[in-house]
Amino acid sequence: AQTVTQSQPEMSVQEAETVTLSCTYDTSESDYYLFWYKQPPSRQMILVIRQEAYKQQNATENRFSVNFQKAAKSFSLKISDSQLGDAAMYFCAYRSAYYSGTYKYIFGTGTRLKVLA
Amino acid sequence: DAGVIQSPRHEVTEMGQEVTLRCKPISGHNSLFWYRQTMMRGLELLIYFNNNVPIDDSGMPEDRFSAKMPNASFSTLKIQPSEPRDSAVYFCASSLEGTDTGELFFGEGSRLTVL
Repeated sequence: AQTVTQSQPEMSVQEAETVTLSCTYDTSESDYYLFWYKQPPSRQMILVIRQEAYKQQNATENRFSVNFQKAAKSFSLKISDSQLGDAAMYFCAYRSAYYSGTYKYIFGTGTRLKVLA
Repeated sequence: DAGVIQSPRHEVTEMGQEVTLRCKPISGHNSLFWYRQTMMRGLELLIYFNNNVPIDDSGMPEDRFSAKMPNASFSTLKIQPSEPRDSAVYFCASSLEGTDTGELFFGEGSRLTVL
């Protein structure tokens, strides 16, 4: 069974600085998807970024980028130029490839990010 | 486009009462998921449906929990009888499977408090 581990329960970053959130996963599959979701105090889960395992290039969305290390089964999220609005709980998630017949999304336990003014 | 719609947003009930949570997925999505979020356990997948059929309910904690999806636009999660340990935020999410998109869209959650 697949597992997702986020070893940092809480992180802090100064406004305008850069922070990296860690995520590791375990799987025997070769094709899958990885995601980072953000949950602000409003409780709404919002997709931040996604990565297909077959793509070697790291995904980037504006100030958000990932460092995907397939062999190491590592998927970290880097937030550049941190803003107060980035303060939230961040969840790493894994999903098997769409053709696997398994649609489960497995989430890590989350990392709470605090942004200091 | 309307997102995933859940109701009620908040529910406070007494132990032993029946609780029904409702979800309307995004139109056109063919998979629906029920998650429970607590401080202790994080986000737990309870059950998911594909084309209205339950695919995996191994996360349903016990027989007091049941979920149905009578059609593509509606699902319910029922707890009967409710217990204080069921207090949590329950999320419904939907996605379109069969493509390589894979994005899960969440509702705003239903916060359940069982006294």
